[in-house]
Amino acid sequence: DTGVSQDPRHKITKRGQNVTFRCDPISEHNRLYWYRQTLGQGPEFLTYFQNEAQLEKSRLLSDRFSAERPKGSFSTLEIQRTEQGDSAMYLCASSLAWTSGTSTDTQYFGPGTRLTVL
Amino acid sequence: KNEVEQSPQNLTAQEGEFITINCSYSVGISALHWLQQHPGGGIVSLFMLSSGKKKHGRLIATINIQEKHSSLHITASHPRDSAVYICAAILRGSNYKLTFGKGTLLTVNP
Repeated sequence: DTGVSQDPRHKITKRGQNVTFRCDPISEHNRLYWYRQTLGQGPEFLTYFQNEAQLEKSRLLSDRFSAERPKGSFSTLEIQRTEQGDSAMYLCASSLAWTSGTSTDTQYFGPGTRLTVL
Repeated sequence: KNEVEQSPQNLTAQEGEFITINCSYSVGISALHWLQQHPGGGIVSLFMLSSGKKKHGRLIATINIQEKHSSLHITASHPRDSAVYICAAILRGSNYKLTFGKGTLLTVNP
C-alpha cells in the first residue's frame, strides 16, 4: 500500500498524559498537512509542512501541540498534557507540488488517528 | 459564519435516485475539492475543480465561480454511496490550506 498511513489508528489516554501520532506520507510528496476533525464537523487545518519546513500553524494549535517533519518525510504530532477537548480525529494528508505557490495539487488523506481523552 | 457552507446536512434517498449536494462559499477561491468520508474516518478525494464540470463514473461535480457555488451529483445512487460528502475550498491567498464545509451525511436505502 503506497497511500498515506497513520499510526496509531486509535489512542485512548488519560487527561494530562502526552501522546504522539505519526504520519507517513506518499513517498515523493513534498507537502504534508495535519487536520483535526471533531464529531459532526468538517476537518480544520492545524499545520502544514513544505519538505521539512513548517510553514504555517493554525491558532487552533496551542503551545501544547507540536509537529515536526525532521527529514522531510514522515511527520509527528505531539500533544502534551492532553485535555478532554483534544478528543478528535487527527487527519494527515500529503500532496506533491511541482512549483511553489501552486494551489492545484490534490491532497491525499490518511485514515486518521482517533484520540479519546478520558 | 463558515466561509464554506454545505446543504443539506443530512440526505436520505432510495436506491436509484439522483442525488445533489450543494456547496456555497463566501470568498474567492483558487480551487474546490469534493471529498468522501466513510465511517471510521478515511477521506478520499473525489474531485478537484476550479471551473466547469468533471465526471467520474456516476459522480459529477460542477462549479460556478461567479455564483460561488458548486454541486456534487450522484446518478443511479446505490447503498454503497452512503457516506459523508465534504466540500473543501482553497481560499484565494492561501495556496494550500483547505477550508472545509461541515459535510453532508448521505444515506441510500436499498
